[in-house]
Amino acid sequence: GENVEQHPSTLSVQEGDSAVIKCTYSDSASNYFPWYKQELGKRPQLIIDIRSNVGEKKDQRIAVTLNKTAKHFSLHITETQPEDSAVYFCAASVQGAQKLVFGQGTRLTINP
Amino acid sequence: DADVTQTPRNRITKTGKRIMLECSQTKGHDRMYWYRQDPGLGLRLIYYSFDVKDINKGEISDGYSVSRQAQAKFSLSLESAIPNQTALYFCATSAPARDEQFFGPGTRLTVL
Repeated sequence: GENVEQHPSTLSVQEGDSAVIKCTYSDSASNYFPWYKQELGKRPQLIIDIRSNVGEKKDQRIAVTLNKTAKHFSLHITETQPEDSAVYFCAASVQGAQKLVFGQGTRLTINP
Repeated sequence: DADVTQTPRNRITKTGKRIMLECSQTKGHDRMYWYRQDPGLGLRLIYYSFDVKDINKGEISDGYSVSRQAQAKFSLSLESAIPNQTALYFCATSAPARDEQFFGPGTRLTVL
């Protein structure tokens, strides 16, 4: 079955700097890769996703890149702000299977 | 607003007790999921259901059972709770042919 590895487990950056979180997956059939953000005490919420027919997707300050050959994908947050502090989870699934396998999570802290 | 709700939000129980966690949704989604969240382990799938008559085991189903009472209700039971089932439990839903999952607020379960 699918296995998703996420690094780093914790990340601390200065406000205004960029943050990058990386994930690798094992199943070459996976073709849907979402990222969820979980603020302290809250539920996970989807912030961006990418499908395997594209290599990059952007939404304002966040972007996701996908390398299908290497089976890894990354979340990029630019111009970080205090409200970006949260736990971020990557996930992978075969599109249409509607069953996600999550990474271990990254706790991102933005220092003022 | 359409939402996913979970009851109880917090529960403390003793080893050997039977406990049920309930999930309800008003989103009209047919697909429902139960996850547990542990620090450093991410979100792991316990059970999932694509409709009332379809129940499937996830990666960590041992020690758990589920019931899909209606399209909108999906319950998770621990027949005989043990301390290593102490965790944060999330219910999630998704719509047909859509990959995004919507999470409930979570139930924090402590087994003493």
